[in-house]
Amino acid sequence: GENVEQHPSTLSVQEGDSAVIKCTYSDSASNYFPWYKQELGKRPQLIIDIRSNVGEKKDQRIAVTLNKTAKHFSLHITETQPEDSAVYFCAASILTGGGNKLTFGTGTQLKVEL
Amino acid sequence: GAGVSQSPSNKVTEKGKDVELRCDPISGHTALYWYRQSLGQGLEFLIYFQGNSAPDKSGLPSDRFSAERTGGSVSTLTIQRTQQEDSAVYLCASSLSSGNQETQYFGPGTRLLVL
Repeated sequence: GENVEQHPSTLSVQEGDSAVIKCTYSDSASNYFPWYKQELGKRPQLIIDIRSNVGEKKDQRIAVTLNKTAKHFSLHITETQPEDSAVYFCAASILTGGGNKLTFGTGTQLKVEL
Repeated sequence: GAGVSQSPSNKVTEKGKDVELRCDPISGHTALYWYRQSLGQGLEFLIYFQGNSAPDKSGLPSDRFSAERTGGSVSTLTIQRTQQEDSAVYLCASSLSSGNQETQYFGPGTRLLVL
């Protein structure tokens, strides 16, 4: 089955700096890669996703890049703000039209310091 | 509109007892998923339901775990003879699962503590 590895497990940056979180996946058939943000005690929320037919996607301060050959994808947050502090999870799945079973990474605790 | 809801929000039980966790998905969502999140860990897939198809139970950790989805809407996850290692947050998610609408929307979770 699919295996997703995520690093770093913790990341501390100064406000205004950029943050990068990296994930690798094992199943070359995976074609859908979402990123979720989970604040303490709250539910995970989708922040951005990418499908395997594109290499990069951007939404304001957040971008995701995908390298299918190397089977890795990354989340980039620019101009970080204190409200970006949370745990971020990457995930991978194979979209079949019949379901979307996500395999998650173990999470990155991002702390944005003033 | 209303998001995914789950009940109870917290459940404390004694080892060996059975528990039932409930999930109300977003209205109209055909796909429903259960995940488990242990302390400081990622989310672990348990089971999913897609329309009228047979559920994918490949993530259930043992035969003590089972789930139902009645009428294509509400789902219950049942854990029989609970063990301390079952302590975790159980998250439910739903999605439209059609076309490009694959986003899974999560509920707030049920925090289960087995003493």
